[in-house]
Amino acid sequence: DTEVTQTPKHLVMGMTNKKSLKCEQHMGHRAMYWYKQKAKKPPELMFVYSYEKLSINESVPSRFSPECPNSSLLNLHLHALQPEDSALYLCASSQDHGVSNSPLHFGNGTRLTVT
Amino acid sequence: AQSVTQLGSHVSVSEGALVLLRCNYSSSVPPYLFWYVQYPNQGLQLLLKYTTGATLVKGINGFEAEFKKSETSFHLTKPSAHMSDAAEYFCAVWVSGTYKYIFGTGTRLKVLA
Repeated sequence: DTEVTQTPKHLVMGMTNKKSLKCEQHMGHRAMYWYKQKAKKPPELMFVYSYEKLSINESVPSRFSPECPNSSLLNLHLHALQPEDSALYLCASSQDHGVSNSPLHFGNGTRLTVT
Repeated sequence: AQSVTQLGSHVSVSEGALVLLRCNYSSSVPPYLFWYVQYPNQGLQLLLKYTTGATLVKGINGFEAEFKKSETSFHLTKPSAHMSDAAEYFCAVWVSGTYKYIFGTGTRLKVLA
């Protein structure tokens, strides 16, 4: 069982919809991440939160809006997405951000399809 | 700039045979290296990591990797492949200064009965 829980597992949305992806961890980790993974590709970093503050935004389009309500929760709000945004969205956490031996713990992802 | 190269996007081995997945890195500073495995429809799971100390690192599921500075390599091995090892494997380096992980392009391991 993964210690990082993501909901929903699957999401189909139209280009005019607004939806949110949710991520939760109870390992006491202080850093949380959003990654996007296309088929047969490695994960691509989108956002990093460290101690509930946004520390890295990899020039992600504004139609993706992250939120970290507390140290255990991470949301990704989606609005006006494009079909090319269809992908597996992975949440991860680590004990700290900026610590070299702090590996990432991934959830199982949300498979997003934009129609 | 730090980078990771995984040689071979697909590797096939027979069940019971040696598994060798190759990873080379470029880094101007001591690297921090990781191997992750991704099973179908799942997230990535840490197999093992090298930060400092012993250059032969043992991980989960019988995998191990050896950090070779002279060869800038961190190859992943397992003495005897099992059908359940079939998955995608990613090598990653943690980039000091940017505080980001760089992932290799991945190697899909197929285990033949």
